[in-house]
Amino acid sequence: EVQLVESGGGLVKPGESLRLACAASGFTFRSFAINWVRQAPGKGLEWVSSISASSAHIYYADSVKGRFTISRESAENSAFLQMNSLRAEDTALYYCVRGSWGSRGYFDFWGRGTLVTVSS
Amino acid sequence: ENVLTQSPGTLSLSPGERATLSCRASQSVNNNYLAWYQQKPGQPPRLLIDGASSRATGIPDRFSGSGSGTDFTLTISRLEPEDFAVYYCQQYGSSSYTFGQGTKLEV
Repeated sequence: EVQLVESGGGLVKPGESLRLACAASGFTFRSFAINWVRQAPGKGLEWVSSISASSAHIYYADSVKGRFTISRESAENSAFLQMNSLRAEDTALYYCVRGSWGSRGYFDFWGRGTLVTVSS
Repeated sequence: ENVLTQSPGTLSLSPGERATLSCRASQSVNNNYLAWYQQKPGQPPRLLIDGASSRATGIPDRFSGSGSGTDFTLTISRLEPEDFAVYYCQQYGSSSYTFGQGTKLEV
């Protein structure tokens, strides 16, 4: 069974940093892209970042470019999202999502999310 | 950025009725790489349709997707009580993925 479990969320002040982790199991992690998608309270879905299976291709939404860094460690079956210079508008539930292909693709499996709250 | 606009924002129907949800893109979606997701309260989204018209594994055949280019439709042929949820379209044909704002399907 494919599982994606996020961790690392919490309450931080504006300007601070947070590192999210995604632990994957139930599939060959090194063969699939990983994505982060967020959802602000009561709002819709926003794609944040993607990393290909080989880590050769990395993409960011304009809203987080230069502040967030996505990475992955195949030996640990894990992906990460380093979030710096956090803003109030980054407050959201962050989902780790599997891409259907090694390069990218649609989002076929989702974790349950980890909540990030940015507030003074 | 390829902006996706979903309509209507809210759709009020009854079980047994047919639902038609629209997703319009500001630019042609490459390779018709358009997906639909269903989200219920307190749950992550669930993939329904990929490639504009391919049902994902385990999705009932009352769900169907159609369209190409800039205009796409999700149809639920006969609504079941568990189908009342929020539906999102998403394009994955460009380097910057985008979602529509969602359609809430309510009783």
